[in-house]
Parts: sequence; structure tokens; C-alpha cells
Amino acid sequence: ETGVTQSPTHLIKTRGQQVTLRCSSQSGHNTVSWYQQALGQGPQFIFQYYREEENGRGNFPPRFSGLQFPNYSSELNVNALELDDSALYLCASSRAPQGYEQYFGPGTRLTVT
Amino acid sequence: GIQVEQSPPDLILQEGANSTLRCNFSDSVNNLQWFHQNPWGQLINLFYIPSGTKQNGRLSATTVATERYSLLYISSSQTTDSGVYFCAVDSNQAGTALIFGKGTTLSVSS
Repeated sequence: ETGVTQSPTHLIKTRGQQVTLRCSSQSGHNTVSWYQQALGQGPQFIFQYYREEENGRGNFPPRFSGLQFPNYSSELNVNALELDDSALYLCASSRAPQGYEQYFGPGTRLTVT
Repeated sequence: GIQVEQSPPDLILQEGANSTLRCNFSDSVNNLQWFHQNPWGQLINLFYIPSGTKQNGRLSATTVATERYSLLYISSSQTTDSGVYFCAVDSNQAGTALIFGKGTTLSVSS
């Protein structure tokens, strides 16, 4: 059974640019959630995708957007990057939106300069 | 929204010691998970434990849902246990989000 994978591992971008992060869910999972973890903090929920639709969103501006594909993989897009967007971005997959164990990928470390 | 509080924030142990980490939450939950975050940032699943008691080797966890707390026990700690331990919950109040506590940073020295 393949676990959750994310790409790229590291990324350096300039303020104002756009970035796309990718996540492949674990086999048998149809739900993907994205989290942002700033240094020294716990992960913060960005949004969740279920059956290719956004299914819940945290307190993040609209320049954070996402997609889920028919194979349940997902993308996180961030436009107009700001310095504060520098963080570890984690995706998690689960068998359903609520009440099920979530499994996390290794993360993408984004640095905005 | 639901609040998740972890204690202590930091813990320093000698190899071989035992420890208890606590997680308090402010509302009923559908799901509670304990994670260990390794130095590279990966969140490793330790327990999925919305209620009851589970054991896995030197680690065990207990959640008392009616009193809104969970405990993670680490026995005979090893240096490889070092890292940050997170408790996270999902509840109807939080929608589909997993809400994390601020974590307990454990340092085990030999």
C-alpha cells in the first residue's frame, strides 16, 4: 500500500509569484486535506477536498485555492506569494471527510524571499 | 471554535525514563489522533483514539471522551523518541478540519 506522497520537497519562490504543490492520496482514500505549518506552530487547516469538490475551508484568503482530480490526487495553488507564506505545507488523506484517521505526507517546505 | 491544549509544552528526559503527555479539548470529538513529528517534518501516526485505551510497544494512549482529555504514555524512553508530539481532534464544531494543539517538545538524552 502506497502512502501519501507530496512534491516537490523544497521550493524557493519570490514574493508575488505563484506556486503549485502536489499531493497523491493513499490507496483507498477519497479525501485530501491541506495544512500549513509555520515554524514552531501546530499545523493549521487550509481546506479539504472530497469527490473533487472543496468540502470545508479554514481561515485562509482566496489566493489559496485547490483542485482534486478523479484519481483523488490534489493540488494546492497559492497566488501572489507573501513572505508569511513561508511554511511547511502538509497534505493528508483519509477514507472519508470526518471521523476517520488522517495520514500525512512528508510535506513541502516553501520559502518565499 | 474547539480548543486543544497540550501539556507540558517542553519535556526533557534521560534515556529510560517514563513520561505522560496530556491533551485537553473543549468539545465532544469524532476523532482524536496522536502524532510524532520527526526532525524532517513528517507527521507519524501514533494512535487513532477517539475513546478508550490502546497500546503499541512502549507507547500507549488513553482517551476519556466524557471528561475531554487524552493521555499519551511513553515508557523506557529512547533518544529516537525526541521530537514534537501533537494531539489533533476533529469535531462537528470544527467541520472537516483536524484541529491541532501546540505540541509537546520532547528531548531525550543518553
